[in-house]
Amino acid sequence: GQNIDQPTEMTATEGAIVQINCTYQTSGFNGLFWYQQHAGEAPTFLSYNVLDGLEEKGRFSSFLSRSKGYSYLLLKELQMKDSASYLCAVRDAVDSNYQLIWGAGTKLIIKP
Amino acid sequence: GAVVSQHPSRVICKSGTSVKIECRSLDFQATTMFWYRQFPKKSLMLMATSNEGSKATYEQGVEKDKFLINHASLTLSTLTVTSAHPEDSSFYICSATWTSGRANEQFFGPGTRLTVL
Repeated sequence: GQNIDQPTEMTATEGAIVQINCTYQTSGFNGLFWYQQHAGEAPTFLSYNVLDGLEEKGRFSSFLSRSKGYSYLLLKELQMKDSASYLCAVRDAVDSNYQLIWGAGTKLIIKP
Repeated sequence: GAVVSQHPSRVICKSGTSVKIECRSLDFQATTMFWYRQFPKKSLMLMATSNEGSKATYEQGVEKDKFLINHASLTLSTLTVTSAHPEDSSFYICSATWTSGRANEQFFGPGTRLTVL
């Protein structure tokens, strides 16, 4: 079956670094997305990985290992506004409609 | 670019009435639109996938006669919740993509919060 796992909740301190892990088991693979969602708002795109390795974009980086079915989102120099849910989503290559399989999300709490 | 709007942002209705939610891609032509619902503190649940000019594909467990989806043009899709009941109260979000877009990324609308009394 299709499954995406990520921790339910994490807590970190302002200014620190946090890594949010995501593991997936899907019948196919055609890319992994990370989205940020603040409470009561729609998700916003953060990153996309389709090849193994690290993609860096400012304070946020995302890593992918296809052989391990594993990704992580790394957030540096944490700010209070980074408090949000972080959603991991995988596009199954079998699907022709570009549907995404969504994880349940990781709620990140930033403390001063 | 790649802006998606939703209207209304918030709606309160009486049980038994129907509610229509519009999703528009403002600066691109969306070959595919998705409708999600999200309960508090839960992740997105895909309801249906809609391609312009064809019938929507509903996920298992989603009643197509209750949640009517129309994707009449490349910039507009509508979701109509028919005979709404309190259990239909939720946050409904649409997203849109196009096949030549960046990684076929889904661009999300701001969501519609539906409360059925």
